Amino acid sequence: AQSVTQLDSHVSVSEGTPVLLRCNYSSSYSPSLFWYVQHPNKGLQLLLKYTSAATLVKGINGFEAEFKKSETSFHLTKPSAHMSDAAEYFCVVSLVSGYALNFGKGTSLLVTP
Amino acid sequence: GAVVSQHPSWVICKSGTSVKIECRSLDFQATTMFWYRQFPKQSLMLMATSNEGSKATYEQGVEKDKFLINHASLTLSTLTVTSAHPEDSSFYICSVLPDRDYQRGEQFFGPGTRLTVL
Repeated sequence: AQSVTQLDSHVSVSEGTPVLLRCNYSSSYSPSLFWYVQHPNKGLQLLLKYTSAATLVKGINGFEAEFKKSETSFHLTKPSAHMSDAAEYFCVVSLVSGYALNFGKGTSLLVTP
Repeated sequence: GAVVSQHPSWVICKSGTSVKIECRSLDFQATTMFWYRQFPKQSLMLMATSNEGSKATYEQGVEKDKFLINHASLTLSTLTVTSAHPEDSSFYICSVLPDRDYQRGEQFFGPGTRLTVL
């Protein structure tokens, strides 16, 4: 079975400072890993995905994540937070590409002026 | 990207009635769609996998007779909550796996439907 653990339920950063959202995964096989963002009253949007290619994955809006097999981690980072980044972020694992996704519990990102 | 719509975006119904939620892929075909539910401030939980032309596959603990899924075409899947009760109040989200993107495994999500059962 595969699962993800998001280590922080809430993260607060100041605008212009770095963002780090932590995610650890558990999988018996090589997983596909994703980060999704959910803004209020909007659909989930894919930020980036890892599917066994490059371990450093660049996504939209300046986000990136690094797959570290030795640490079973897939942390999401951004060098400089913007107010519009405030949202709920989900780390997601899929055992087989195309199959249903297993979501983490989410991390709520707050960006303060 | 791909556009997925859900209708209605929100619905309020009385206990005991049935509610149908539609999920449409607007610019692509999809053999496979998924239905999730999300309780307030919680994560998404997969309810069922819907495949066009065949019976849906339900996750453990999800009552198939209560949550009826019909995937009658490559662009439309419906979820019907039968005999709804207040505990069925939730945010229901569909996702679509475009046939053209099957090898890349990227799902596209609808905006969700908020169901409130009185």
